[in-house]
Amino acid sequence: RKEVEQDPGPFNVPEGATVAFNCTYSNSASQSFFWYRQDCRKEPKLLMSVYSSGNEDGRFTAQLNRASQYISLLIRDSKLSDSATYLCVVTSGGGADGLTFGKGTHLIIQP
Amino acid sequence: NAGVTQTPKFRILKIGQSMTLQCTQDMNHNYMYWYRQDPGMGLKLIYYSVGAGITDKGEVPNGYNVSRSTTEDFPLRLELAAPSQTSVYFCASSRDGEQYFGPGTRLTVT
Repeated sequence: RKEVEQDPGPFNVPEGATVAFNCTYSNSASQSFFWYRQDCRKEPKLLMSVYSSGNEDGRFTAQLNRASQYISLLIRDSKLSDSATYLCVVTSGGGADGLTFGKGTHLIIQP
Repeated sequence: NAGVTQTPKFRILKIGQSMTLQCTQDMNHNYMYWYRQDPGMGLKLIYYSVGAGITDKGEVPNGYNVSRSTTEDFPLRLELAAPSQTSVYFCASSRDGEQYFGPGTRLTVT
């Protein structure tokens, strides 16, 4: 059974702090990895893809650790607007049956 | 581009009624998906399509049907609505694994 696990949180973090959370996956054949952001009562939106070499987009850094089968998301200098649920998505190719969403990590940035 | 659009935004159904949730994308994506998301829970895949004329079941297909006559449209049909189908329904399309979601349809079955 393919599984993607996330700590549901909530993570309560003061504004300006750095926060990181992980997502573990069980299928070693997984090929593509993504982080999505979902605001309350809204649709998920792609935040960033996760590449083998890691990638950075402004205050956000995503990394992949294939040996330990997890991906991570680091948010620096957190803003109030970063409050959301962060979903990780893992695909193993071969159509939608190879695509698995985590249940999400709830992040609350406090003033 | 409008992206992925869904109608209606909200709907209340009585038990046993039927309805069709509409989904359209204008990005010429081959892959399209229907998910449901219950309160506080993750997304569950109902059905997906890899192209016009091709559909397949996801994790939770019972009580639903889909069709894909064109690249743009992927309607989801609920037959004999049940309270367990109360949820938020998201349609998505994708290219290269990156999914783009519609704004969702909030359905209540009473």
